[in-house]
Amino acid sequence: SQTIHQWPATLVQPVGSPLSLECTVEGTSNPNLYWYRQAAGRGLQLLFYSVGIGQISSEVPQNLSASRPQDRQFILSSKKLLLSDSGFYLCAWSVQLTWEQYFGPGTRLTVT
Amino acid sequence: TQLLEQSPQFLSIQEGENLTVYCNSSSVFSSLQWYRQEPGEGPVLLVTVVTGGEVKKLKRLTFQFGDARKDSSLHITAAQPGDTGLYLCAGGSTLGRLYFGRGTQLTVWP
Repeated sequence: SQTIHQWPATLVQPVGSPLSLECTVEGTSNPNLYWYRQAAGRGLQLLFYSVGIGQISSEVPQNLSASRPQDRQFILSSKKLLLSDSGFYLCAWSVQLTWEQYFGPGTRLTVT
Repeated sequence: TQLLEQSPQFLSIQEGENLTVYCNSSSVFSSLQWYRQEPGEGPVLLVTVVTGGEVKKLKRLTFQFGDARKDSSLHITAAQPGDTGLYLCAGGSTLGRLYFGRGTQLTVWP
């Protein structure tokens, strides 16, 4: 069966510090991968999605970036965090050419 | 601009009551999904509907996709405290791209 992991689970970082969040998927090959941010327990904002290694599409211009160095690994990064980057970050995967997305447990980021 | 509007935003009911939550859009979607999310966790997929007018049942939950594929509803019969959570609808257009509503926060009191 497929599983998706995210770490860390929680993170407290000062403004201006770098960020690296990691997501890995097991039990599937060549998945679509997604990064979402959720503010205050409400709707999900798509940040980045990837259909393959090295292929990243950005939905929202901001100080975040994403990379996919391996087929089942997706990384969200920032060089300098802003207060507005605080939120709940969710990674998701889907089988190519299907609708269903499966989410990881999330990372709670607090920028102080 | 929010493509999908969910209503109500908040719903607080007693155990045993029935409820319906709505997901509306002016856009046509190829698919419509419902997720449930509990605090501090990722959303969990409940159902996918793809055909206009389609109705799917999952135990006490009934999902319907509008005939024009612009709206959907989720009906829960005899709600239980375990149904408490944030219910999110998501519309799919380009394969792999979902647009999420802001959710309905449901609380069921024992």
